[in-house]
Amino acid sequence: QSALTQPASVSGSPGQSITISCTGTISDIGSYDLVSWYQHHAGKAPKLLIYEVIKRPSGISDRFSGSKSGNTASLTISGLQAEDEADYYCSSYAGITTYVVFGGGTKLAVL
Amino acid sequence: EVQLVESGGGLVQPGKSLRLSCAASGFIFDDFAMHWVRHSPGKGLEWVSSISWNSGSVYYADSVKGRFTISRDNAKNSLYLQMNSLRPEDAAFYYCAKDSAPHPGYSNTWGSWGQGTLVTVSS
Repeated sequence: QSALTQPASVSGSPGQSITISCTGTISDIGSYDLVSWYQHHAGKAPKLLIYEVIKRPSGISDRFSGSKSGNTASLTISGLQAEDEADYYCSSYAGITTYVVFGGGTKLAVL
Repeated sequence: EVQLVESGGGLVQPGKSLRLSCAASGFIFDDFAMHWVRHSPGKGLEWVSSISWNSGSVYYADSVKGRFTISRDNAKNSLYLQMNSLRPEDAAFYYCAKDSAPHPGYSNTWGSWGQGTLVTVSS
């Protein structure tokens, strides 16, 4: 069982927007603005989409955005494209003992 | 360009050992913390271990603590994961990842990843 809870799957049509939630606790998401989001196509290297809750690395489309409220972080993908079909993972720093936790992943289907 | 290339994966029997390597290039290796993450189908990404720039701080997931050892050789721009007492549940693709900070936990920003190396644990 993952430390962070994500929906197993979400879906949307091309051009639409979707939001993936990532629920943690006061010990991780709720205490640190160190939430990251990764896109993973099976067999390939995961790609960093969002770091420090809202920041985008250079080269990442502004269709990807992050936010946080309390113990829950969210990733929003706007203007869905077929190439966005992938698994998405959140992670959060969780302090000196646990260090880092990942979500269980959300499979995005672009219908 | 940052490049991370994992190697050392393979088929191993339960209880045996394996050593993974990650060769880094394209950046100043000893400026950054490094991490190992694994992925097995149906289980998602799982953080395994992390090490600071100077090896002064190391962290392990509970699932591997006492069995796996992370290390690095900054002179060789290489990261390692010694895996002992392997179990079937350790079977996965193992990825190394580069942090954006010298110490784990400063940023939780892992911007570069390798392509992974597959570990299979079976008798």
